[in-house]
Amino acid sequence: DAGVIQSPRHEVTEMGQEVTLRCKPISGHDYLFWYRQTMMRGLELLIYFNNNVPIDDSGMPEDRFSAKMPNASFSTLKIQPSEPRDSAVYFCASRIRDTQQFFGPGTRLTVL
Amino acid sequence: AQSVTQPDIHITVSEGASLELRCNYSYGATPYLFWYVQSPGQGLQLLLKYFSGDTLVQGIKGFEAEFKRSQSSFNLRKPSVHWSDAAEYFCAVVGGTYKYIFGTGTRLKVLA
Repeated sequence: DAGVIQSPRHEVTEMGQEVTLRCKPISGHDYLFWYRQTMMRGLELLIYFNNNVPIDDSGMPEDRFSAKMPNASFSTLKIQPSEPRDSAVYFCASRIRDTQQFFGPGTRLTVL
Repeated sequence: AQSVTQPDIHITVSEGASLELRCNYSYGATPYLFWYVQSPGQGLQLLLKYFSGDTLVQGIKGFEAEFKRSQSSFNLRKPSVHWSDAAEYFCAVVGGTYKYIFGTGTRLKVLA
């Protein structure tokens, strides 16, 4: 298996633009997680899904952020409109139930 | 509520010296515990995990960790550090909700 796949790896955009981050979890994994990592706040859980259903989105910073998981093999995290303070590395991770979590390589987002 | 504390933000050791990174957790029952490592520009890689059984667990790259229930600790150790071990290390606890709670990380610097 190729592991968790994220795209793009790097994204540079201007304030106010819409940004979409993509994630393909490991096949067969039933949990998917979106994290944000910054120097100031460390690693933060934004939202997680179980069997494609959002379970806990309490970490989503505000309404500008939204996430979807239309099927078991794909998820998106969208920021609209983006702001400079959204600049961070966004990680996707997946796992089966209570086993170890596998992380993707991350998307480094820079909002100018 | 679950929580994880990594008291040391930065640690510097000389190559060949021993290493211990501290992790304390708060959880009412026996948790699942993990150590992850993140190299610069990379995602998080699992070093080792504790679910149950033997309280001393062995991981990859020569790392080990010991679960001490009485101290609510899960410290990571390595007898002889290599320059390639320079990275950031995260401790995580998982409780009944399947959410990982990560510590704030310890950044390890290795002196030649």
